[in-house]
Order: sequence, then C-alpha cells, then structure tokens
Amino acid sequence: QKEVEQNSGPLSVPEGAIASLNCTYSDRVSQSFFWYRQYSGKSPELIMSIYSNGDKEDGRFTAQLNKASQYVSLLIRDSQPSDSATYLCAASGMGSGSRLTFGEGTQLTVNP
Amino acid sequence: EPEVTQTPSHQVTQMGQEVILRCVPISNHLYFYWYRQILGQKVEFLVSFYNNEISEKSEIFDDQFSVERPDGSNFTLKIRSTKLEDSAMYFCASSENYEQYFGPGTRLTVT
Repeated sequence: QKEVEQNSGPLSVPEGAIASLNCTYSDRVSQSFFWYRQYSGKSPELIMSIYSNGDKEDGRFTAQLNKASQYVSLLIRDSQPSDSATYLCAASGMGSGSRLTFGEGTQLTVNP
Repeated sequence: EPEVTQTPSHQVTQMGQEVILRCVPISNHLYFYWYRQILGQKVEFLVSFYNNEISEKSEIFDDQFSVERPDGSNFTLKIRSTKLEDSAMYFCASSENYEQYFGPGTRLTVT
C-alpha cells in the first residue's frame, strides 16, 4: 500500500520563527512531491512542487527532497499568522496525470 | 489567474438518490481528477481522466460512480445511488502535466 506519513502535529510556532514540516513516503516509485496548504473548510492550495533531490526555494518556502531516505520536508521562514493552516504532503508516480497520494496533514498554528 | 470551478458548493440529497457534481477545469489542462475528503480525514483519490477516458481509478470508485466530459468545458462526477458514507467534500482538480490545481469543492451531505 502506498503511504505518505506526516508529523501528527499540531505544530505551534511564534510569529517570525521557522516552521519545519516533515513527510515520509513508502513507495519508491513516487517521483513527484507536492506541498498543499488547506485552510479549514477550503480546498488544497498548491504551494510547492519538488521533483529532484535537494532544496527548492520559493519566497519564504523551501522544499527539501531526499529520495534515498524517502523524505520530503517544507520549511516556512518568517512564519506569519496567515500561515496557520493544515499542510498536506502528496506524492505521485511517474508520468503526467498520475494520482496524488496525500498524507493526513500537519496542522500549523503561528502565534502572534 | 485561471481557476478550477465547481458547482454546486453544497448539495443535500437523500440516500438512494442520484447526484451529479460539476466541474470546469482550467482551460488548457489535459488531465482531470476527482478526489474526496471525508470530514477530519485525508484527501483520497477517486479517478483520473485523460483524452476522454478514465486513466486510473481507486477502489473507492465502484460501479456507483461515473465520470463524463459532456462538452469541451465541463467534467462531471455522478453518484448513482448515494449512501450515507458518500457524505464528504468532493474536489475536482486539473493539471497540464504534474501539478494539480484543485477547485473549491462541493460539500455533499446524504441524509
């Protein structure tokens, strides 16, 4: 069974701190990895994608991928109260149009 | 910025009734998907659709479910005979290749 596991959370950080969110996956066929943000009652919003080992930075967000360890992470620098949401890690296989397998999500609260 | 749209935002139906959930994917996208999220649970894949046919489906997507692209813009999910356990948020998504963009969802309540 293909599984994506995330920190159960909740995670609470003060405003301005770095929030670190982690994810592991079990299926070595997984090639593409995504972080989605989901506010309560809303749909998942894509914030980062990463396909190769290493770091990928986009503004305050950095995604890290280590395929040997089957590990994906998301760092949020200078956390803001508006970052408070559930962060979903998702993996997909090779090829366009592959299904996403989601983790349970980690609830992040940024305290002013 | 182009968005995936879904209608209705909320659908209440009685057990055993048929429902059709509608989606308009982003216009230049080629791949379409349906996911669902039962309250408090993870987002689950139902089905993917490409070139006017199902490309992949999950074990959830049984004979009660069907998908259709009736015209050049709409993508629909039909549940033939709803059950109480079909109550969930249903999300449509579309992609050009790898990155999937989600619509706002339809909350389906089966009573």
